[in-house]
Amino acid sequence: DAGVIQSPRHEVTEMGQEVTLRCKPISGHNSLFWYRQTMMRGLELLIYFNNNVPIDDSGMPEDRFSAKMPNASFSTLKIQPSEPRDSAVYFCASSLSRSWLSRDTQYFGPGTRLTVL
Amino acid sequence: AQSVTQLGSHVSVSEGALVLLRCNYSSSVPPYLFWYVQYPNQGLQLLLKYTTGATLVKGINGFEAEFKKSETSFHLTKPSAHMSDAAEYFCAVSGEGGTSYGKLTFGQGTILTVHP
Repeated sequence: DAGVIQSPRHEVTEMGQEVTLRCKPISGHNSLFWYRQTMMRGLELLIYFNNNVPIDDSGMPEDRFSAKMPNASFSTLKIQPSEPRDSAVYFCASSLSRSWLSRDTQYFGPGTRLTVL
Repeated sequence: AQSVTQLGSHVSVSEGALVLLRCNYSSSVPPYLFWYVQYPNQGLQLLLKYTTGATLVKGINGFEAEFKKSETSFHLTKPSAHMSDAAEYFCAVSGEGGTSYGKLTFGQGTILTVHP
C-alpha cells in the first residue's frame, strides 16, 4: 500500500513567489496533518484536518499561509508571498482517526524541502 | 499544555553497546506517547507507541520503551546498537483535550551516532 505522497520533494523559489505544496494521504485515512521542520524550532504542527474539515489551524504562522483539503485524497499548503524565513522541510502526515477525539498513529510523508531565496 | 523534553541532543555509542534515549513529558491527561525515527532526507517512521495497558512497549528494530507515570518518562532503549540505528529520534505526546486531542507535540530530537 502506498504511503503518504508529497510533491514536489524539493522546491526552490524566490522571495515573493507563491508556493504550493501537495499531499495525498493514505487511502482510508480520515485525518491529515501539515508540519514544518526547522533547525531552530524543530517539528511544529501547522494545521490538521479531520474528514476534510480544518480542526485546528493555530500553528499557521500568519495569513501568508493557507491550507485546503477539497477531498479525502488531496490537500495543499500554500504560501503567498513566500519569504526566506519560510525555508524548511514541510511534512504531511495522515491517520485513521475517524474523529478529532481520536489519537491514532500518524504516518508521515517524505517531506518537501523548500528553499526561498 | 503538553510538552516533551528529550535529554541530550546528541548521543554517541559504540556498535553493540546499549542505546538509551531519554524522554520526559508533561500532560494533564493520561498521555499517548510515541517514538519516531528519522533517517537523513526521509520522513518520520513510527518505532513504537504507548496508549494504555502494559507499560513496557516493544517496537520495530529491537527497540523498546517503558512508560513510567511516576517519573513522567518514556525512555527508549535497545540492548545492542547497530550501525543502521544511526538517525534522529523524536519523542512525542498526544494532546490534552478538545481539538488538540489528536495533535502531537514533539521533542527537539536526539541524534544517535553509532561508532564501529
